[in-house]
Amino acid sequence: RKEVEQDPGPFNVPEGATVAFNCTYSNSASQSFFWYRQDCRKEPKLLMSVYSSGNEDGRFTAQLNRASQYISLLIRDSKLSDSATYLCVVNDFNKFYFGSGTKLNVKP
Amino acid sequence: GAGVSQTPSNKVTEKGKYVELRCDPISGHTALYWYRQSLGQGPEFLIYFQGTGAADDSGLPNDRFFAVRPEGSVSTLKIQRTERGDSAVYLCASSQRVSSTTDTQYFGPGTRLTVL
Repeated sequence: RKEVEQDPGPFNVPEGATVAFNCTYSNSASQSFFWYRQDCRKEPKLLMSVYSSGNEDGRFTAQLNRASQYISLLIRDSKLSDSATYLCVVNDFNKFYFGSGTKLNVKP
Repeated sequence: GAGVSQTPSNKVTEKGKYVELRCDPISGHTALYWYRQSLGQGPEFLIYFQGTGAADDSGLPNDRFFAVRPEGSVSTLKIQRTERGDSAVYLCASSQRVSSTTDTQYFGPGTRLTVL
């Protein structure tokens, strides 16, 4: 069983749409959680950390549900520039486990 | 400021050869991580350094892989007797290690290794 599981997509959405991704993790003792964005043939870049209380950064909202062991990312008012792969990341005592990523295509 | 840098950006080698991949972390970052990313997959953890010592090398796939960080800054990932299955992008990341719960990593651009 993988430590972090994500739907690979792709999610094909029109500009302006709202889209949500989920990810599940296997270790209930995991300590911290993140969403990274990765563009084609580029390195992953931190999008946002995910806190138990939920957090928002502009059009992006992240939620953590420890009881169900899943993390979500909501993107509102999608832009063409949001097209990328979104990686869910879980920190287990200094080992970072990455999901395989969810691909988002935002179309005009 | 300067981010994480990795050299070379691309490396093509023949099966059986030895390769070294270099990572320069962000200045002042005490933690350094190596990952391997294959096409369509997320980065896979290889090894983590805290300072000069390898705090966790459980992700290294076998004894052909070895990494060092002798002065607590630059790190080198060494692969002996390369195999075609070693072809991947090797990513390095560094972090400040202020707290285990808020620690975030910053990635270098990666080295694309191709074993022919």
